[in-house]
Amino acid sequence: ETGVTQSPTHLIKTRGQQVTLRCSSQSGHNTVSWYQQALGQGPQFIFQYYREEENGRGNFPPRFSGLQFPNYSSELNVNALELDDSALYLCASSLQGRGTEAFFGQGTRLTVV
Amino acid sequence: AQKVTQAQTEISVVEKEDVTLDCVYETRDTTYYLFWYKQPPSGELVFLIRRNSFDEQNEISGRYSWNFQKSTSSFNFTITASQVVDSAVYFCALSERNRGSQGNLIFGKGTKLSVKP
Repeated sequence: ETGVTQSPTHLIKTRGQQVTLRCSSQSGHNTVSWYQQALGQGPQFIFQYYREEENGRGNFPPRFSGLQFPNYSSELNVNALELDDSALYLCASSLQGRGTEAFFGQGTRLTVV
Repeated sequence: AQKVTQAQTEISVVEKEDVTLDCVYETRDTTYYLFWYKQPPSGELVFLIRRNSFDEQNEISGRYSWNFQKSTSSFNFTITASQVVDSAVYFCALSERNRGSQGNLIFGKGTKLSVKP
């Protein structure tokens, strides 16, 4: 086990709704990254948080937003859900720095209907 | 542009066979890091190995070995004497140095390995 925990495990939402996903990082790690993994695809980088600020973002619209808390845990918020947002959302914790390995949680499976 | 290509979508082998998973990457950076992750059906990505661009030594860890060749931009992964528990999707990933988010991983599409008894 990596020590990275995500909640909830599964979630079903209706198109247009908003959702919040949560992640507790591994002890000692100060950086949290979020990834979206569509079925049959590799994970795609959404954004990263370090010291409670967004520290880089992938090609995702502003309706994807996040927070990092003083204890390094993090939230991913998605507004105005679309059907294409259905995916596995993975949280990864790491130490800030070049090429440090990221440890992933088990993910949240989001289904938008 | 940075890119990771895993040309093999699915591989099926019989237990005890050796299997190699291919990974080819593209980057303009001279300093970068390469990773392999395993994703079992449970969904969690399990870290297997990290290699930096200055270290071309091959690595062996038990039944796993990795062959890094900068000349061909490849970082291939071999499982020797495969076992049913090796069945999973394997991802190769690239992390670059000079990005706003250090540790931003670019993943390939993955190779699904099925090991049959």
